[in-house]
Amino acid sequence: KQEVTQIPAALSVPEGENLVLNCSFTDSAIYNLQWFRQDPGKGLTSLLLIQSSQREQTSGRLNASLDKSSGRSTLYIAASQPGDSATYLCAVQNGGATNKLIFGTGTLLAVQP
Amino acid sequence: DAGVTQSPTHLIKTRGQHVTLRCSPISGHKSVSWYQQVLGQGPQFIFQYYEKEERGRGNFPDRFSARQFPNYSSELNVNALLLGDSALYLCASSLLGQVLNTEAFFGQGTRLTVV
Repeated sequence: KQEVTQIPAALSVPEGENLVLNCSFTDSAIYNLQWFRQDPGKGLTSLLLIQSSQREQTSGRLNASLDKSSGRSTLYIAASQPGDSATYLCAVQNGGATNKLIFGTGTLLAVQP
Repeated sequence: DAGVTQSPTHLIKTRGQHVTLRCSPISGHKSVSWYQQVLGQGPQFIFQYYEKEERGRGNFPDRFSARQFPNYSSELNVNALLLGDSALYLCASSLLGQVLNTEAFFGQGTRLTVV
């Protein structure tokens, strides 16, 4: 059974700092991994999708990497801003008839001005 | 372009009642999935529908049901509500039902409170 873990559960950093969020999964036979942002009480905003054949994806100040063999992904945020404060969730898709996502419990990020 | 839209945004129901939540996917997307997110947890998969057929079901009781309409919109129904059903219900749409090329886009969710 696939399990997704995110460390740390919460993180507080000063504005301008570069930071890394971690995601690990127990079954390396994934098809892709997706990072999301969630503001309090709101839905999920897709940040980056990494296909299983890819090693990383970049969008603006965000860079996500994927190491399937070790069951790990990282989300790197450069030059953090107070507006980056949110919960960040990673989710994986395994094979099968559905495209269901299996989520971690998220990392709550607070960027202090 | 409109994203995934869900209605209503908030809902308060009494234990034992029934509730219907609605979702309209992104135009052109044929797959809709439903997730339940309890406070402090990641979303849990409830259902996936593709081309009006159920493709998958998570570990939820039969009180939960769903359907997809010809225009690809979807409804999630929950009968005999329990206090534990209080959660944020999220709808996700994707272009296809298969695993490949399935970036998921989520709506803003429906906050259900059962009292």
